[in-house]
Parts: sequence; structure tokens; C-alpha cells
Amino acid sequence: KAGVTQTPRYLIKTRGQQVTLSCSPISGHRSVSWYQQTPGQGLQFLFEYFSETQRNKGNFPGRFSGRQFSNSRSEMNVSTLELGDSALYLCASSPGLGATNEKLFFGSGTQLSVL
Amino acid sequence: AQKITQTQPGMFVQEKEAVTLDCTYDTSDQSYGLFWYKQPSSGEMIFLIYQGSYDEQNATEGRYSLNFQKARKSANLVISASQLGDSAMYFCAMREGPKGGSYIPTFGRGTSLIVHP
Repeated sequence: KAGVTQTPRYLIKTRGQQVTLSCSPISGHRSVSWYQQTPGQGLQFLFEYFSETQRNKGNFPGRFSGRQFSNSRSEMNVSTLELGDSALYLCASSPGLGATNEKLFFGSGTQLSVL
Repeated sequence: AQKITQTQPGMFVQEKEAVTLDCTYDTSDQSYGLFWYKQPSSGEMIFLIYQGSYDEQNATEGRYSLNFQKARKSANLVISASQLGDSAMYFCAMREGPKGGSYIPTFGRGTSLIVHP
């Protein structure tokens, strides 16, 4: 079974631009979540989607948005990029509804650098 | 307050020796799950081991074991017979009961483990 695929692997943008990151979950997984990882803040939850519906959202400004398609693939978008948006963005998938024992399967991430 | 605390920013261990990575957690839920993930330099987080709050036995997965002390709210990861490939960041995480309809996990800040030959 193919793992979680994130594209692109690396991205360099300038302030003010916008960016779209893509995530293809493991086949059959319906839940996709996104995390921002920085050395200063660690892993911070961005949002979670299940069956095309946003189930939860972290404490991030409205510049961060996402969506999930009917095939469970997900995209996240960051508009009006700021220097502080430089981070590793990780996508994770899981089989279903979520439960206290449900583990996450992560992609390799997209390393975004904002200049 | 931090829900997951990993007090060791960095750890060093000799190859073939055992190492314990500390994790304490904070929750008022009765049902919760504890996880450890490994993140090598490639970036991908890899699931290692899971412990449920009602599990009476400590979880084990090959060279990994979880030392679960519920009363102390600790869930330490023990790696036996360390290998060079174990050098990575290690994250402790917890899933509590549903909040707003979902079970968003909380991650600790991680511990960087370096295995020396």
C-alpha cells in the first residue's frame, strides 16, 4: 500500500505570495489532518478533514485554509505569506472517525521557505 | 499548561545500550491513548508504539517498550539495544476523548536522540 504522499517536497516563496500544498492519503483513509512544525513552536495542529468536511481547526489566522476532495486528497493554502510561515508542513491520514487509539500515518512533509 | 511534556531536549546513547525517553502528560479524561512517533532527518513521522489508558500491561513493539505509570501520568519510551538508525527526533503524543467532535492529538516538543558508535 502506498504511503501518504505530499507534494511538493520543497518550496521557496516570497512574502505576500500564496502557496498550495497537496496531500494524498493512504488508500481507504478518509481523515486527513495538517500540522505546522517549526523549531520554536513544535508541532501545531492546523486542521482536520473527514469526508470533505472540516472537522476541526487549530488556532491559525484565516490566511490558512484547506479542503478535501471526494477522493480524500487534501490541499492546504496559505495566502499572503509571511516570513513566520516558513516551516515543515506535515500531512497525516488515518482510517476513519478518529478514536483515542487511532494512529496517524504521516507524509514526508513540505518544507516551505518564505524569503 | 502543557498537555505533553518531554523534558529532555537531547539524549546521547552508545550503540547497543538501552535508553529511556521521558514523557509526562496531563489529562482529566479517563479514556485516552498515548503514542510515540519517530522523526528521522527525512521528515516523515513514523508510528512506534501505542498505549491505551485502560491497558494494564506495558506495550511492547520489538525493541520499543512503553513504561506506563498511570498514577504518575508518565509514558516513557524505552529503546533496547540502540542502533545507529535510531538517531532521530522522538515525539510523545496523546489522544483524549472527542473535543468538538474529533480526537485531535497533542504532541510534545520532542527529544533528539543521537546514537554513538
